[in-house]
Amino acid sequence: AQSVTQPDARVTVSEGASLQLRCKYSYSATPYLFWYVQYPRQGLQLLLKYYSGDPVVQGVNSFEAEFSKSNSSFHLQKASVHWSDSAVYFCAGGDSNYQLIWGSGTKLIIKP
Amino acid sequence: GGIITQTPKFLIGQEGQKLTLKCQQNFNHDTMYWYRQDSGKGLRLIYYSITENDLQKGDLSEGYDASREKKSSFSLTVTSAQKNEMAVFLCASSWDWGAQNTLYFGAGTRLSVL
Repeated sequence: AQSVTQPDARVTVSEGASLQLRCKYSYSATPYLFWYVQYPRQGLQLLLKYYSGDPVVQGVNSFEAEFSKSNSSFHLQKASVHWSDSAVYFCAGGDSNYQLIWGSGTKLIIKP
Repeated sequence: GGIITQTPKFLIGQEGQKLTLKCQQNFNHDTMYWYRQDSGKGLRLIYYSITENDLQKGDLSEGYDASREKKSSFSLTVTSAQKNEMAVFLCASSWDWGAQNTLYFGAGTRLSVL
C-alpha cells in the first residue's frame, strides 16, 4: 500500500545548528513529493516539491530536500536554523491520478 | 496573490448538533478540498470538489456533507457532532485535481464538541 512516513514526531535543535527532518515513502513508481510547513495558528504552506530531475530540490527560506530512490526517502534539510523555523513540518506524496498521502508531521523545536 | 478564508475560526458545538464550516477562496482555483487534522496524525481528506457543483468523497467522508454552489466557496457540514470531538478542519484549493498540484490552505476552523 502507498504510504508516507515521518518517523520523528518531535525534533529539537539549537539555533544555528543544522537540521534534518526525515520522510520515507512507499510507492510503486516515483511519486510527486512535497514538504509543507505549518506555523502556529496558520494553514500549511509549500516549502518545496519534487518529481524528477536533480534529486536536491531548493525551497523557500534556505530549506532543501534530497530525493533518494534507493532509500525511498525525501529528507528535508537546512544548514542553520533560526528560531522562526519553529513549526510543524509535513511530508506528502502522491501520483497524478490520486490524492496526496500525508505523513503525520514533525514538530520542530528550536532551542535558544 | 490570493487568500483562503475559513469561518468561523473557532466552533464549539453540542453532541448531536449539525455544524457548518465555510471556506472562500479568491485564487480562482477549480479544485477545493476539506481536510481534517487530528493531533499527531497526518491530514485526512474528507471531501473535494473539482469544479462548481461537483462533490467527491475522500477517505473520511462518513459523518460529513459538503456543498460547492459557487466556484469560490466550499462548505462542510458535520451532520452529528460527536461528544468530546476535537479537531482542526482545513480548507485548501488548487488549480487542478491531482497530486502534482500545489495546495493553498486556509488557517483552519478549530472544532470542540462538549
